[in-house]
Amino acid sequence: DTEVTQTPKHLVMGMTNKKSLKCEQHMGHRAMYWYKQKAKKPPELMFVYSYEKLSINESVPSRFSPECPNSSLLNLHLHALQPEDSALYLCASSQVRGGTEKLFFGSGTQLSVL
Amino acid sequence: DAKTTQPPSMDCAEGRAANLPCNHSTISGNEYVYWYRQIHSQGPQYIIHGLKNNETNEMASLIITEDRKSSTLILPHATLRDTAVYYCIVPRYGGATNKLIFGTGTLLAVQP
Repeated sequence: DTEVTQTPKHLVMGMTNKKSLKCEQHMGHRAMYWYKQKAKKPPELMFVYSYEKLSINESVPSRFSPECPNSSLLNLHLHALQPEDSALYLCASSQVRGGTEKLFFGSGTQLSVL
Repeated sequence: DAKTTQPPSMDCAEGRAANLPCNHSTISGNEYVYWYRQIHSQGPQYIIHGLKNNETNEMASLIITEDRKSSTLILPHATLRDTAVYYCIVPRYGGATNKLIFGTGTLLAVQP
């Protein structure tokens, strides 16, 4: 199984809603990532978890709250988002081998904030 | 941090080799060069990586210059399905793990 599964594939939410994005992998990878991608732009790193601990937070606003309940799951909790937060949210996990690291990405959740 | 520079777009005829250049003149001696691609509406996909030797796998070949300041990704026989944005990345070490920061990439359009 070399898949990173993200749910839901599409999400529409209002600015007062609370929602969560989910990411799952069963490859035994110990690092997991959240990226945000606006249309026609490259993915932007948001968070990195390593061994279920938050390793990197790229100064992301607190309305985005990551959670790593176990080594296979990664969540992104959303609250009080703004329309400009509408984007494709990508999850990835990584395999470290011989000092190099290869990321496997999911297909993303397309989020629209109204 | 090693920054990469790529042309914004390239065209290639179907069946011909696609050669995608990348400049990484500030790369350090122990930093790897990675290539990923992103087909429209999908997540990025790992292609290949290298340190100083040329590398080849089932997807592509990677040629790194002797001074390591630039590299070229080669798709030997491009197909329409290879139309994608190709990213050349030199990860930054972020403590417990590397930080894979995407630049603007090269949009490769394979023409029939």
